[in-house]
Amino acid sequence: GAVVSQHPSWVICKSGTSVKIECRSLDFQATTMFWYRQFPKQSLMLMATSNEGSKATYEQGVEKDKFLINHASLTLSTLTVTSAHPEDSSFYICSARDQGQGAAYNEQFFGPGTRLTVL
Amino acid sequence: AQSVTQPDIHITVSEGTSLELRCNYSYGATPYLFWYVQSPGQGLQLLLKYFSGDTLVQGIKGFEAEFKRSQSSFNLRKPSVHWSDAAEYFCAVGAVLMDTGRRALTFGSGTRLQVQP
Repeated sequence: GAVVSQHPSWVICKSGTSVKIECRSLDFQATTMFWYRQFPKQSLMLMATSNEGSKATYEQGVEKDKFLINHASLTLSTLTVTSAHPEDSSFYICSARDQGQGAAYNEQFFGPGTRLTVL
Repeated sequence: AQSVTQPDIHITVSEGTSLELRCNYSYGATPYLFWYVQSPGQGLQLLLKYFSGDTLVQGIKGFEAEFKRSQSSFNLRKPSVHWSDAAEYFCAVGAVLMDTGRRALTFGSGTRLQVQP
């Protein structure tokens, strides 16, 4: 149980284009999903918290107009990198919190990640 | 604000020997503590977690961790390392963020484990 998928796993795009990454909780409902960014050989940095049916909450320094997040259902959140540039190349990882576990648990289940390369 | 420190960036051990990865945290209350493992190009897999109760926690793949409140530590251990354990290990604290009031995970910088035959 508690499986999170991401699609695509790997994407290459041209500079200036937009890329959408999907994050799905396959066997549980997730009121809250999280988007992280990871640079090579570095830790995960939280970008934003995605709440179903409401606007995402972005961390300081993350451009909300560049990284559009939509959480339209209890099992799907999307991250769209708009007008991508080479410096946006990174490993993007999503996670989801199983609301059935209770909010106090804080446990997140992670997707396998999406590697974005912007040429 | 909470923080997590993993003082060892890179550790190399021989297969079959014991392992201890260090993790220290800073948080004003009892934290929720996690250890994750990440293989190259992969997402994170939960090894174990501590919420309350017994301070020695057993996880998957033969790993265990001990919560020591007095030392603000949550070190990960394994008695006999296998070559397949080579990966990046992250310690994380789940807590309420002081500035936003939201619950989130704060990760340490990670420890890369190399296993020699």
